[in-house]
Amino acid sequence: QKEVEQNSGPLSVPEGAIASLNCTYSDRGSQSFFWYRQYSGKSPELIMFIYSNGDKEDGRFTAQLNKASQYVSLLIRDSQPSDSATYLCAVNMVGKSTFGDGTTLTVKP
Amino acid sequence: EADIYQTPRYLVIGTGKKITLECSQTMGHDKMYWYQQDPGMELHLIHYSYGVNSTEKGDLSSESTVSRIRTEHFPLTLESARPSHTSQYLCASNPGLAGPGEQFFGPGTRLTVL
Repeated sequence: QKEVEQNSGPLSVPEGAIASLNCTYSDRGSQSFFWYRQYSGKSPELIMFIYSNGDKEDGRFTAQLNKASQYVSLLIRDSQPSDSATYLCAVNMVGKSTFGDGTTLTVKP
Repeated sequence: EADIYQTPRYLVIGTGKKITLECSQTMGHDKMYWYQQDPGMELHLIHYSYGVNSTEKGDLSSESTVSRIRTEHFPLTLESARPSHTSQYLCASNPGLAGPGEQFFGPGTRLTVL
């Protein structure tokens, strides 16, 4: 079992819909969680992070964390074609960070 | 905003050549990382450093080496390039505020070994 697993893609949603990206992790001691966006041919960029159980909102993005169930998700509301990218989940574990394999999202006009 | 630079951005080189990929950051971050990523594939951590004179190998075995003589500079060297080294190499740094997961990436070097 991988330490960080993301739902296999690709994920396709119509423009204006909510895109839901999920990430599960194996280490119960993990404390902080990060979402990155990577456009094709570009490097990853950090879009948000979350520490506490519950929701954290930033514009059209909402990160949700449930430590008891060991999952973190990213919701993108009112999805736009410009949101089409690969989304990487990263989890802080003791002394290191582990990235998931990523989920590729396509938003169709 | 993160200022992390990588040079060259693109490199095409013949087998057997020695190459050094440069990575510099102007933010004073102690922690820096090198990743290898093939197109459409996952990130693989190949080296990291927690500060000057500190270097460690990452999860993916790599024939490259790194050095950290200055905080701002973290070069990666391949002594003898091979076609299997063809990939994208990404450098990142970490400000140390939110833990190792908060990383700022450079633009990458796309290496092709013929």
